Amino acid sequence: GAVVSQHPSRVICKSGTSVKIECRSLDFQATTMFWYRQFPKQSLMLMATSNEGSKATYEQGVEKDKFLINHASLTLSTLTVTSAHPEDSSFYICSAPPGQGAHYGYTFGSGTRLTVV
Amino acid sequence: GQQVMQIPQYQHVQEGEDFTTYCNSSTTLSNIQWYKQRPGGHPVFLIQLVKSGEVKKQKRLTFQFGEAKKNSSLHITATQTTDVGTYFCAGRGGATNKLIFGTGTLLAVQP
Repeated sequence: GAVVSQHPSRVICKSGTSVKIECRSLDFQATTMFWYRQFPKQSLMLMATSNEGSKATYEQGVEKDKFLINHASLTLSTLTVTSAHPEDSSFYICSAPPGQGAHYGYTFGSGTRLTVV
Repeated sequence: GQQVMQIPQYQHVQEGEDFTTYCNSSTTLSNIQWYKQRPGGHPVFLIQLVKSGEVKKQKRLTFQFGEAKKNSSLHITATQTTDVGTYFCAGRGGATNKLIFGTGTLLAVQP
């Protein structure tokens, strides 16, 4: 089945620094990647949709300049948390939709637990 | 915007008891998917329901999609400790490819 590889799995950074999270589709081409954020014991909140070769679409309330998304190729989407602060500490996870007509669900990366100190 | 609510938020059962989580959307859904997320893990796809009134079974799990395509349920018969985790419904509405997750139900199973 489809596999999305997400790195790093855990990262601790200092306040004010930037962190890049990568998601790679290993055995398929992902023209679209969804980025979610999940706080402890809460649901997954959609942050943005990255589209290969075009600008990302952000959900209401998500700061574009803080969460930079790049989808430079059909197999790589990145999320950069810029000037991170402790309130950005969360579980970030990417997801690729299934191919057209497929009967399986969305494929998720293993997630990145970001801790900003 | 579209909201998807689930009840209960949390359910603690004895092993062998049944469990049900209910999912309600504020808008009509083109389809609904169910995912399971183990503690510390990522969501794993369980099933997709597309048709109004559809019922699907996977061993001890039974999934239903409401007639109005705005609600759904997941029922687990005779829970096992391996069923522990958070169960999310997720809906896709209209032409959008976006998957909006429900609030989730955390299931704890006591041996």
